[in-house]
Amino acid sequence: EAGVAQSPRYKIIEKRQSVAFWCNPISGHATLYWYQQILGQGPKLLIQFQNNGVVDDSQLPKDRFSAERLKGVDSTLKIQPAKLEDSAVYLCASRTLGGGTGELFFGEGSRLTVL
Amino acid sequence: GQNIDQPTEMTATEGAIVQINCTYQTSGFNGLFWYQQHAGEAPTFLSYNVLDGLEEKGRFSSFLSRSKGYSYLLLKELQMKDSASYLCAVREIGSQGNLIFGKGTKLSVKP
Repeated sequence: EAGVAQSPRYKIIEKRQSVAFWCNPISGHATLYWYQQILGQGPKLLIQFQNNGVVDDSQLPKDRFSAERLKGVDSTLKIQPAKLEDSAVYLCASRTLGGGTGELFFGEGSRLTVL
Repeated sequence: GQNIDQPTEMTATEGAIVQINCTYQTSGFNGLFWYQQHAGEAPTFLSYNVLDGLEEKGRFSSFLSRSKGYSYLLLKELQMKDSASYLCAVREIGSQGNLIFGKGTKLSVKP
């Protein structure tokens, strides 16, 4: 079974520029999450989708961050304009609905450096 | 609100046993997870506890006490490859499956 795919793995931009990250979850996983992980800290939820609807975006800085999951599969996370404090790893995770432990499966992340 | 505490760093010797503690406060507990994260890699699922007691899975075990808001991850027969960060995460009732993570414990295994 293929895992969660993310791209790009690394991105370096200057402040005030824009960047977009892409995520393809595990096939059949209805729920998709974007987490931000700053160096030395645990992942923090930015936004959660179920199919193509937003379930929770309460911690998403909406003045600069946006995300979409138009067809209920792939998702993109955009930052515009970027700030220095946005330097972090952006992790995408997915899980299936119902049954099991409900564990999240993570991609390898997209590491963003804002200069 | 939520608060999850775990030690920042730990060091142990190859072949030994190490216990990583996690305390939490939540408004409605619905499960505790442990993840392993090697530097530059994705977190990978290790264990899940929702009822009190010990869950054993090979060299790794996880314990939960809901009344104390306490869990630990026990790693036996440590190997060099166990050097990683260990993340404690809590799921709350009504959270739609979202996990709230602690800051992680960086474990260094020395020969």
